[in-house]
Amino acid sequence: KQEVTQIPAALSVPEGENLVLNCSFTDSAIYNLQWFRQDPGKGLTSLLLIQSSQREQTSGRLNASLDKSSGRSTLYIAASQPGDSATYLCAVGANQAGTALIFGKGTTLSVSS
Amino acid sequence: EADIYQTPRYLVIGTGKKITLECSQTMGHDKMYWYQQDPGMELHLIHYSYGVNSTEKGDLSSESTVSRIRTEHFPLTLESARPSHTSQYLCASSEPRTGDTEAFFGQGTRLTVV
Repeated sequence: KQEVTQIPAALSVPEGENLVLNCSFTDSAIYNLQWFRQDPGKGLTSLLLIQSSQREQTSGRLNASLDKSSGRSTLYIAASQPGDSATYLCAVGANQAGTALIFGKGTTLSVSS
Repeated sequence: EADIYQTPRYLVIGTGKKITLECSQTMGHDKMYWYQQDPGMELHLIHYSYGVNSTEKGDLSSESTVSRIRTEHFPLTLESARPSHTSQYLCASSEPRTGDTEAFFGQGTRLTVV
């Protein structure tokens, strides 16, 4: 059974720092991996989608990498801002039919000004 | 911003009441999902649908039911609400035919059963 783990569970940094959030998964046979942002009491906002054949995706200050063989993904946030404060969720798609995404518990990020 | 909408956003209801949580998407996606999320915990899949007239139960056992009569609409119903149903419910959709399979989520419904 696929399990997704995110480390650390919480992270506090001063504004301007570059940071890395980690995601690991137990079964490397994934179809894709998606990073989301969740603000308190809100739904999920998709940040980046990486297909299994890809190694990384970039959007603005965000860069996500994928190493399927080792079961790892990282989300790199450059020059963090207070507005980046949120919970970041990693989710893996099991197969092409897309039965559903399997989620980690998330990393709660706090960026202080 | 994704075109997927959930209503109501917040609901407080008494034990034993029947409730329906609404989810609609305007993207024409075939696949829709319902997840349940308790505070500080990961999302768990409770129902999904591959298209009209298709519904399946997810990994997490749930006393709720769903229907998919129209592509854009995927409501979730609790026949008799209990305090153990208190949680956040998140609806999502994706379109695997494009080969992209990016999932989009609604804003969620926070349900409290008293």
